[in-house]
Amino acid sequence: GGIITQTPKFLIGQEGQKLTLKCQQNFNHDTMYWYRQDSGKGLRLIYYSITENDLQKGDLSEGYDASREKKSSFSLTVTSAQKNEMAVFLCASSIPFSNERLFFGHGTKLSVL
Amino acid sequence: GDSVTQTEGLVTLTKGLPVMLNCTYQTTYSPFLFWYVQHLNEAPKLLLKSSTDNKRTEHQGFYATLHKSSSSFHLQKSSVQLSDSALYFCALRNMLSGSFNKLTFGAGTRLAVCP
Repeated sequence: GGIITQTPKFLIGQEGQKLTLKCQQNFNHDTMYWYRQDSGKGLRLIYYSITENDLQKGDLSEGYDASREKKSSFSLTVTSAQKNEMAVFLCASSIPFSNERLFFGHGTKLSVL
Repeated sequence: GDSVTQTEGLVTLTKGLPVMLNCTYQTTYSPFLFWYVQHLNEAPKLLLKSSTDNKRTEHQGFYATLHKSSSSFHLQKSSVQLSDSALYFCALRNMLSGSFNKLTFGAGTRLAVCP
């Protein structure tokens, strides 16, 4: 089996700050994802990456950047944190071009003061 | 674009009763439907999946049938347990090449099971 590790688990930021979230997977999956989870809104796709150095925008990419320098890691940057923002960011991975499941990490909980 | 609707935000039930969590979807293309479950402070994990019309799929006592005629994939269980208390997400992938890696999630339904 494998695991997805997200760091940090909790992130407190200031308004306007640039914040980076990290994700590592040892499944050897090609495709990785970043989802945002807000209460009552489900999971919304921010960015995904089909393979190393590939980046694809999701439905919620504005205000975010992503980076996939190597197969096992996928980073997400909040370019300018919004005051009172509170959300959980979930990283996931899967086999590409298949109907196999997504494997999720436990999430990074963001609070902006 | 694709969409998934889960009509109940919160379902509260007594242990031992049956449950049905609603999921309907919209897509122009052939669908693949999933149910994910997220227990408190845990990662979401796959519960069920299906792309076959009118065929029941089951796992861990939960079951669902994809009905393309009504665009539905409702999740059911005949007798809920305390451990079933969790957040349940319905998700859709369409089979159009180029969209294969994208899942559209519903808003989620929180199931709370009481003793």
